[in-house]
Parts: sequence; structure tokens; C-alpha cells
Amino acid sequence: AQSVTQLDSHVSVSEGTPVLLRCNYSSSYSPSLFWYVQHPNKGLQLLLKYTSAATLVKGINGFEAEFKKSETSFHLTKPSAHMSDAAEYFCVVSGGFGGYQKVTFGTGTKLQVIP
Amino acid sequence: DTEVTQTPKHLVMGMTNKKSLKCEQHMGHRAMYWYKQKAKKPPELMFVYSYEKLSINESVPSRFSPECPNSSLLNLHLHALQPEDSALYLCASSRDLTLLFFGSGTQLSVL
Repeated sequence: AQSVTQLDSHVSVSEGTPVLLRCNYSSSYSPSLFWYVQHPNKGLQLLLKYTSAATLVKGINGFEAEFKKSETSFHLTKPSAHMSDAAEYFCVVSGGFGGYQKVTFGTGTKLQVIP
Repeated sequence: DTEVTQTPKHLVMGMTNKKSLKCEQHMGHRAMYWYKQKAKKPPELMFVYSYEKLSINESVPSRFSPECPNSSLLNLHLHALQPEDSALYLCASSRDLTLLFFGSGTQLSVL
């Protein structure tokens, strides 16, 4: 079994302040975890990925995430929000064995950045 | 080349029309996917092709017909769609069935 919970459907921050988007997961496998960003009417762009290497993962545009197995969390952070960060963010878990991998999306968090 | 290219970007069709969505990748990925995304929702898996063979069909209505002519191309043929089928259709590819690379999508409106 596998699931992803994005704890906030909407997050609002002021420009220049830190961003925290929360994600918890459950998986019967050793999962791979991802964060994607989607701007309005666009496809999904990969921000970063965790695939059992370093637990602190750095991504594009200053984002990073820390894999915490004990807390089954993979929260996304950024020290200083920029207006261009306003978008929908999806936490994704992938797990399986052999030739089968199941990809599960969280329900998304909409990030609003206030000038 | 790390792109997944989808055409057209926008499509408006009537309920009696036949149209096709196209997707192309040149990354040598073994798997290609179709997802459907409604507004303010996460993408929902429709089909998965692995090594050019259909491996997953998530109980999608037969008015959606996928086709994988070769390892780089994926089509989605549309016929007799309903207004509720209006959505963003996303194509994705993957080398290892784990990390997905997405195209920019086709915004479909069914009138």
C-alpha cells in the first residue's frame, strides 16, 4: 500500500520569507520521493528527487527537501520566496519491486506569494 | 534533449469529432504515460506503455484509444467525447518507471 498526504491545500507567504510545504507518505517499499511544480495551464516540472542517497536533497530554484524516515516526511523548503514561486506543488511517491512501480500523487498545495 | 513534446497545446472539439493528441520523447525512455488532470486536482493515470506495449489501462472509457507506434511516440485518439472529458491531458515518460518527465500538456475542451 502507498499513499501521500500534503497537509496544506493552500499556503500563503510574503515575498522574501521562508516557504514550507509539508508532505507525509506511507509505503510498503523503499520509496522514491519527488516534488513537482505546476504553473497554471502548464505541465509538471521536476523540482527535486530522493532516491535513497543523501537525505537532504537540493533542487532547482533554491528549493530543497529532507527525507525523514522516522517521521515519514518529505517537506519542501525554500529560504526566501519569490513571486515566480507562486504555483501548485505536488508531492509524489514511487515504489514497487521487479518490473512494477506505482506512482502516487498528493492532492497538491497551492502556494501564494504576497508582494 | 530532455523534453517531452505534446501537440497540440490547445484543442476544441465537438462531441462527434475524431481527434488525436500526440506526444514525443527522444530520451530513450522505456515507458510512456497518459494522464488526465482536471482543474485544481492532481493528475490521474490513464494508460502506461512499457516497451511499446500497453501495460496499464486504468479502466478508461473506450472513447479514449491509446497508440504507441514506436518507442518515441505516443498518441491518444479521441472519439465521441463528452463535455466532462474536458481537461488537461499530460504525457509523461520514464526510463525506470520511477522518475516521470512530463510534457506541457494539451488543454482539451469538448463542446
